[in-house]
Amino acid sequence: DAGVIQSPRHEVTEMGQEVTLRCKPISGHNSLFWYRQTMMRGLELLIYFNNNVPIDDSGMPEDRFSAKMPNASFSTLKIQPSEPRDSAVYFCASRAYYGYTFGSGTRLTVV
Amino acid sequence: GENVEQHPSTLSVQEGDSAVIKCTYSDSASNYFPWYKQELGKRPQLIIDIRSNVGEKKDQRIAVTLNKTAKHFSLHITETQPEDSAVYFCAAPIGGSGGGADGLTFGKGTHLIIQP
Repeated sequence: DAGVIQSPRHEVTEMGQEVTLRCKPISGHNSLFWYRQTMMRGLELLIYFNNNVPIDDSGMPEDRFSAKMPNASFSTLKIQPSEPRDSAVYFCASRAYYGYTFGSGTRLTVV
Repeated sequence: GENVEQHPSTLSVQEGDSAVIKCTYSDSASNYFPWYKQELGKRPQLIIDIRSNVGEKKDQRIAVTLNKTAKHFSLHITETQPEDSAVYFCAAPIGGSGGGADGLTFGKGTHLIIQP
């Protein structure tokens, strides 16, 4: 099992550019979660899906953030336009029932 | 929604001693409480979890205790070793229950430092 796979591992972009983060959950896991981690705010849940359907997006900070899960094996988190305060590590996690498995994260730097 | 408070934010112990990290939660309906360990630059990893039908669970040197009446749960690490140095996070279900589709809300983390 390759675990939860995220890409890219690192992303540096200029303010105003569009950023797309990608996630492949563990096969058979029916829930997928996007988290953002910063020193100041810790781990924040942005959005999660159950059986590819968005369940709760109340953690998405602004309309600049959007997420999709077109099928059971792929999800994207998009930021358009990006801002320096979006700089953080973005984690994707998946779960079959109890216990998340996190991906390695994408470290996003917006300059 | 669920609110999770974790303390201390930093804990330094001598190698071989025990470490205890405590969390409180707000929603009495919550019934699942995991703990995650995150080493520097790596992903959080589940190390132990407990459901509300038990009061304690052990796995070698780590244990978790749960007091549903007081709405708090704790992580206990005995005979600490250098490789235990990391940030530890507690969590509880956002929806106030447990499995299924619930997201988790995390505490702010405890930086555990094992002094040689």
